[in-house]
Amino acid sequence: AQSVSQHNHHVILSEAASLELGCNYSYGGTVNLFWYVQYPGQHLQLLLKYFSGDPLVKGIKGFEAEFIKSKFSFNLRKPSVQWSDTAEYFCAVKGTYKYIFGTGTRLKVLA
Amino acid sequence: EAGVAQSPRYKIIEKRQSVAFWCNPISGHATLYWYQQILGQGPKLLIQFQNNGVVDDSQLPKDRFSAERLKGVDSTLKIQPAKLEDSAVYLCASSSIQGIDYGYTFGSGTRLTVV
Repeated sequence: AQSVSQHNHHVILSEAASLELGCNYSYGGTVNLFWYVQYPGQHLQLLLKYFSGDPLVKGIKGFEAEFIKSKFSFNLRKPSVQWSDTAEYFCAVKGTYKYIFGTGTRLKVLA
Repeated sequence: EAGVAQSPRYKIIEKRQSVAFWCNPISGHATLYWYQQILGQGPKLLIQFQNNGVVDDSQLPKDRFSAERLKGVDSTLKIQPAKLEDSAVYLCASSSIQGIDYGYTFGSGTRLTVV
């Protein structure tokens, strides 16, 4: 069965700190991978996506993610976070045609 | 392009009452999805439409939830009767091509509180 795990439920960082949010999935076939962000009071927005090719994907606002097939992982990274990155981050995996979302990681960046 | 429109933004009802949500996807998007997002959890797919046909409704509690997409454009999701555990944000999303998916565009959601 298709599933997604996000290990960190809450992360607190100071501004300029580096960020890495974990995402692991289980699915036997070809997957498409996504990270979404939900800022307070706003709707879900696509940060970045991986379909094929270069496993290091760059998204908006300085975020990037690396697909490691052998580890079934798609971790989200940002070298230096800002206060405005405070939000909830969701990893999503698309198998045959269904999206599965992780439970989310709530990030708080302290100014 | 205009985004996915949803209404109402908020709804408070008593248990056993009925409620309906409306969604207007991005123009030209053939695929429409309804998700339920309970506080502290990720969105859970309830139903997926391709044009006006149902592709997947395996996680829709059909004894109380129903959805339709007439004419392959707007969609409504109904709950009748509502239970306390239905309190959640109901998200509508649309995408342009099924199978080659570039990520959904989500609406702002309807926050339902059942008391």
